[in-house]
Amino acid sequence: DAKTTQPPSMDCAEGRAANLPCNHSTISGNEYVYWYRQIHSQGPQYIIHGLKNNETNEMASLIITEDRKSSTLILPHATLRDTAVYYCIVRGPSGSARQLTFGSGTQLTVLP
Amino acid sequence: NAGVMQNPRHLVRRRGQEARLRCSPMKGHSHVYWYRQLPEEGLKFMVYLQKENIIDESGMPKERFSAEFPKEGPSILRIQQVVRGDSAAYFCASSPVSHYEQYFGPGTRLTVT
Repeated sequence: DAKTTQPPSMDCAEGRAANLPCNHSTISGNEYVYWYRQIHSQGPQYIIHGLKNNETNEMASLIITEDRKSSTLILPHATLRDTAVYYCIVRGPSGSARQLTFGSGTQLTVLP
Repeated sequence: NAGVMQNPRHLVRRRGQEARLRCSPMKGHSHVYWYRQLPEEGLKFMVYLQKENIIDESGMPKERFSAEFPKEGPSILRIQQVVRGDSAAYFCASSPVSHYEQYFGPGTRLTVT
């Protein structure tokens, strides 16, 4: 699976959009981008994933660049409860390694 | 729809004792993964199981650790003769199919004294 690079920490004001970047320049054509978050030692929480197209769900939006070498997770209206470590993970399709490989992630702190 | 359940949530063992960690996957999920998070470190994959089969145990320490996922009942991660270095949070995740997103339980925090 491709390696990802994320900033170690970011701050965001409550109510504003939080934009979390991720670089995955060695991603293969059939690898997906997944985002998880871990709130203060709780179990990681699945957020969203995508392959090529931008994706949106009730939690967040995922913007993947056309060359797929980077992506951005957007939390449209961050709240204090969104303070967590966010992990960007690149993962192959069916038939490849099934486990998730967690890096260091980005510590997002939402400020009041 | 209940999520992934793990018990116990906290477990204290003395050095040399055995620790048994249980994981009940989400309903309809037949794929289970175990991860370990050492203090101040990231999550590391340990083992991937389907019902009655170990599919990938490449992240499991060679000695003292074992896992099973029987036809009936929860998945069990067993650590024999625990040492202080085994103190960590152990998370279980499940998915309906192997390449789908994984849903994590709340974890078991093992403390070895």
